[in-house]
Amino acid sequence: NAGVMQNPRHLVRRRGQEARLRCSPMKGHSHVYWYRQLPEEGLKFMVYLQKENIIDESGMPKERFSAEFPKEGPSILRIQQVVRGDSAAYFCASSPHLLALEGNEQFFGPGTRLTVL
Amino acid sequence: AQSVTQLDSQVPVFEEAPVELRCNYSSSVSVYLFWYVQYPNQGLQLLLKYLSGSTLVESINGFEAEFNKSQTSFHLRKPSVHISDTAEYFCAVSFQGAQKLVFGQGTRLTINP
Repeated sequence: NAGVMQNPRHLVRRRGQEARLRCSPMKGHSHVYWYRQLPEEGLKFMVYLQKENIIDESGMPKERFSAEFPKEGPSILRIQQVVRGDSAAYFCASSPHLLALEGNEQFFGPGTRLTVL
Repeated sequence: AQSVTQLDSQVPVFEEAPVELRCNYSSSVSVYLFWYVQYPNQGLQLLLKYLSGSTLVESINGFEAEFNKSQTSFHLRKPSVHISDTAEYFCAVSFQGAQKLVFGQGTRLTINP
């Protein structure tokens, strides 16, 4: 059973371009979470999705950022018109059940390191 | 406010010495507690977790953590560290009813021979 897959592992964009980060959860997992790790900081929650639904986006910046988890295919985190402050590592995690009810862990991918020039 | 604090950003220790990485949280609701480890250029791996029951939890590689409700702490300990334990360690908390994890700032553990 492959782990959580993220691609690309490294992404370089110039200011104003779009960045698309992809996450394939573990097989059988229907809950996906995105976190951002800024340099020298811990991970910060961005968004929680289930298939075709955004459940909690309380950590998403109000502008330029969006996320989806379609019925088929990976979850996508999209950043439009990137700025230097978007440079960070973006981690995706998945879980098979509701974390709070089942107490299950979140399984993390290797992350995508975004550099904005 | 709900928050997680790891007081030490870096902890250098000698090989075979004991180590304690501190984690404190602030919450008025029940919590689930986790320690994750991140090796260089890799994702996070779960080290151990506290959900309920015994307040002392152990991992397979010799780490243990104790949930102290009165101190609101979940410190991570290992009696004798190895070079291979060099990594960044993150404490994370799930606050009652919330799906998201709140992470501490991380502690970089460096083992010197």
